[in-house]
Amino acid sequence: DAGITQSPRYKITETGRQVTLMCHQTWSHSYMFWYRQDLGHGLRLIYYSAAADITDKGEVSDGYVVSRSKTENFPLTLESATRSQTSVYFCASSDRAQETQYFGPGTRLLVL
Amino acid sequence: QKEVEQDPGPLSVPEGAIVSLNCTYSNSAFQYFMWYRQYSRKGPELLMYTYSSGNKEDGRFTAQVDKSSKYISLFIRDSQPSDSATYLCAMRGLGSSNTGKLIFGQGTTLQVKP
Repeated sequence: DAGITQSPRYKITETGRQVTLMCHQTWSHSYMFWYRQDLGHGLRLIYYSAAADITDKGEVSDGYVVSRSKTENFPLTLESATRSQTSVYFCASSDRAQETQYFGPGTRLLVL
Repeated sequence: QKEVEQDPGPLSVPEGAIVSLNCTYSNSAFQYFMWYRQYSRKGPELLMYTYSSGNKEDGRFTAQVDKSSKYISLFIRDSQPSDSATYLCAMRGLGSSNTGKLIFGQGTTLQVKP
C-alpha cells in the first residue's frame, strides 16, 4: 500500500523490555520523524532523519534509539522500556525539510 | 513556559457556528505556521500552511497570523459535525529549514453538535 505505515498498531510490554516500533514509507521521502503524543503536551519530537544514515535527536530523545539504513524505513527502539514511555507514537515523513509532513496512523504503546 | 501554548478545550459548538481556535507563541524566530487536524485514533493531517503574517483562506477555513502579537488563529465557518477533531497548531523558524523540526501546540479538541 502506498503511504506511510506503522507497526504494530498496539503494543503492551513490561518495564525493562526492549521494544521496536516500525515505520515504513513508500514515497522515498528524504526526511522522517518520530513523535510522541501525550495529554497536555501535544506532539513532541523524539528523533528525526534527513536521509539514510543521518539521524539527530529531538526534544525528548532519552531512552530511545533510531536507525535508518534504508530511506523507506525508520525504526524506533526503546532500549529498556519505562512506564513514562507509555504514549502514542507517530512517524512522519516529508520530501524536503520545509515541506508538509505526512503522518502515519500511530502506535499505541502501554508499558506495565 | 512552553514555546507554543494552545488551549486544550474541549470546545463544544452547535452545527453552523463559527469556531475560533488560537495559539500563542514566545519565539519571535517562528516564520512558518501550520494547522493540523487529527481525528480520533488517526494521525494528524495538514489543514493550513501560512508563511509570516497575514490571512489565508481555504473554503470554510481561514488561518490568521499576527506576528507582532505572536498569535495565530484558525477560523472555521459554518462548522459541521465532520469538523469534530483535535486541531494542532505547529510552527518553525528559518533555522529549521534544513531539519524540518516543528514545534506543536497541545491541541484543541473540538466537538460540533448536530
